[in-house]
Amino acid sequence: GAVVSQHPSRVICKSGTSVKIECRSLDFQATTMFWYRQFPKKSLMLMATSNEGSKATYEQGVEKDKFLINHASLTLSTLTVTSAHPEDSSFYICSSAPGTGEHEQFFGPGTRLTVL
Amino acid sequence: LAKTTQPISMDSYEGQEVNITCSHNNIATNDYITWYQQFPSQGPRFIIQGYKTKVTNEVASLFIPADRKSSTLSLPRVSLSDTAVYYCLVSGAGSYQLTFGKGTKLSVIP
Repeated sequence: GAVVSQHPSRVICKSGTSVKIECRSLDFQATTMFWYRQFPKKSLMLMATSNEGSKATYEQGVEKDKFLINHASLTLSTLTVTSAHPEDSSFYICSSAPGTGEHEQFFGPGTRLTVL
Repeated sequence: LAKTTQPISMDSYEGQEVNITCSHNNIATNDYITWYQQFPSQGPRFIIQGYKTKVTNEVASLFIPADRKSSTLSLPRVSLSDTAVYYCLVSGAGSYQLTFGKGTKLSVIP
């Protein structure tokens, strides 16, 4: 199946700093990517839909100025957690789909963010 | 997006067949049913997808009754490595936005 990568796999940062997470579709072009957040022992929660060349669409309750999304190319979307705080510590996962008529969606391996 | 309901957890011994049933009473005509597997600290992995009747691949089978209000994921002979959380999702054709329910935590016992 198609491959989606994320970088970094884990990051530890101090409170108040910003952290950028990259999501890449390695073997297909993705006009749309999705960003999820998952707290321990909980399910994935959709944060936003990243659209290539346009603004992201955020889910209710997700602060767009806090979680900056940039989808500048068909293979790369970035999520920047600005002024991170301990409550932002979570597992962040991106996903995408080739959009070639298939319905299968491919997920990245996730990024573990720990804010001290 | 159709809401799904699954058992919170299941236990099984190695070598047994495991069936996990998901209810999706409000499934729409053009919705597909997809199952994902997730190990701790990893992204979900696609298992199987179907629209109606039965679908089988190298790892699982998916049974969907005629009314499509439920579906059953069947794992033929589970091993310890199948211990994971399994999510049932329903989504419309052409829509890749997914809403995850709580999933079913499968524990395989030696």
